[in-house]
Amino acid sequence: DGGITQSPKYLFRKEGQNVTLSCEQNLNHDAMYWYRQDPGQGLRLIYYSQIVNDFQKGDIAEGYSVSREKKESFPLTVTSAQKNPTAFYLCASRRGQGGTQPQHFGDGTRLSIL
Amino acid sequence: RKEVEQDPGPFNVPEGATVAFNCTYSNSASQSFFWYRQDCRKEPKLLMSVYSSGNEDGRFTAQLNRASQYISLLIRDSKLSDSATYLCVVIAYSGAGSYQLTFGKGTKLSVIP
Repeated sequence: DGGITQSPKYLFRKEGQNVTLSCEQNLNHDAMYWYRQDPGQGLRLIYYSQIVNDFQKGDIAEGYSVSREKKESFPLTVTSAQKNPTAFYLCASRRGQGGTQPQHFGDGTRLSIL
Repeated sequence: RKEVEQDPGPFNVPEGATVAFNCTYSNSASQSFFWYRQDCRKEPKLLMSVYSSGNEDGRFTAQLNRASQYISLLIRDSKLSDSATYLCVVIAYSGAGSYQLTFGKGTKLSVIP
């Protein structure tokens, strides 16, 4: 079955530590996205990529970094510069380079500070 | 004015009731519209696309009003399992071959026995 896989489901970060969230898709989608969702809040865009080896900052990119070396993979690193990383992180993808197609989501990673 | 606005609710309705949510958008160049459902502590899932002529999927009806720049979602005969947050998504052409996708913050629905 095609889909988007995020791992791990739960992640704990120590102060000063960088952590990387994995997102893999086998839908052959070109466009991939990372969102952050805080309790009771909407989705906020962190980074997005429309094609391999290219990505753009979203609305809240500070303290985060991404790479897009393969079409299937779009990992997100939460750096120590992100002072309030506790949130629900969602990866999404959509067909082609986006256009008017809807997004499909992975089942998310919950990140907490130890 | 925010790009995409939704009434956050909560909408508390009894089982069997009909409930409707609206979502307004400010960009007149918006081209595609969708409704998503998000259960508590889960990812958003695509519920239905919204077509210009309106479309129905079982108990759910989606409509688009381009003149007034809003989309709506109508749920008939509400079930307990319909309790969730409903997010609208609007996609607009932003130039140079790019499209901007914007989520509303969601409307929370609670269906009460």
